[in-house]
Amino acid sequence: SQQGEEDPQALSIQEGENATMNCSYKTSINNLQWYRQNSGRGLVHLILIRSNEREKHSGRLRVTLDTSKKSSSLLITASRAADTASYFCATASASGNTPLVFGKGTRLSVIA
Amino acid sequence: KAGVTQTPRYLIKTRGQQVTLSCSPISGHRSVSWYQQTPGQGLQFLFEYFSETQRNKGNFPGRFSGRQFSNSRSEMNVSTLELGDSALYLCASSLPETYGYTFGSGTRLTVV
Repeated sequence: SQQGEEDPQALSIQEGENATMNCSYKTSINNLQWYRQNSGRGLVHLILIRSNEREKHSGRLRVTLDTSKKSSSLLITASRAADTASYFCATASASGNTPLVFGKGTRLSVIA
Repeated sequence: KAGVTQTPRYLIKTRGQQVTLSCSPISGHRSVSWYQQTPGQGLQFLFEYFSETQRNKGNFPGRFSGRQFSNSRSEMNVSTLELGDSALYLCASSLPETYGYTFGSGTRLTVV
């Protein structure tokens, strides 16, 4: 069953604009991760944020985590056509030794 | 450093047949997880292996099985294939302490 729920399900923006995707989850977590998937291929790990962190940056990516609201957001700044992909959040349970649970993803289309 | 290798990339099988998928993790990674991805259900966890032991199992019928060898390579087997087993099967390896997964490109299974 899905732990994370991404919002929106699909997002279409122009190149150069910022893209924001949100993820909500249900149970206590150790960390939350974001992955990207290009057109039916394997997932690529983008960034991991631990439960005691509130914000993390990696290049054009900015992730925030609000454990009180059980939510996270992924911001991609200055989007490029190559950012077109599906983005998934995944949660690692606080109880430990359990697999990552993925949401259903946000489909991002960046139009050149 | 070689990535996670999944073979074969594509498979077409007939209902009732069985199939074996293979996954070679990144050298040094002892944890291997398998996921099934379908448009309707998203990414569903199948199994996780660590040092040849199944550490977690998802909510799939007994037709789905797996194993891990001493060199950390893993296989999953699906017997008595059904049309609904058509999916992208993804394998991921990780170092437990980092939690981030590295995924293979997947095996696209089509059951006809």
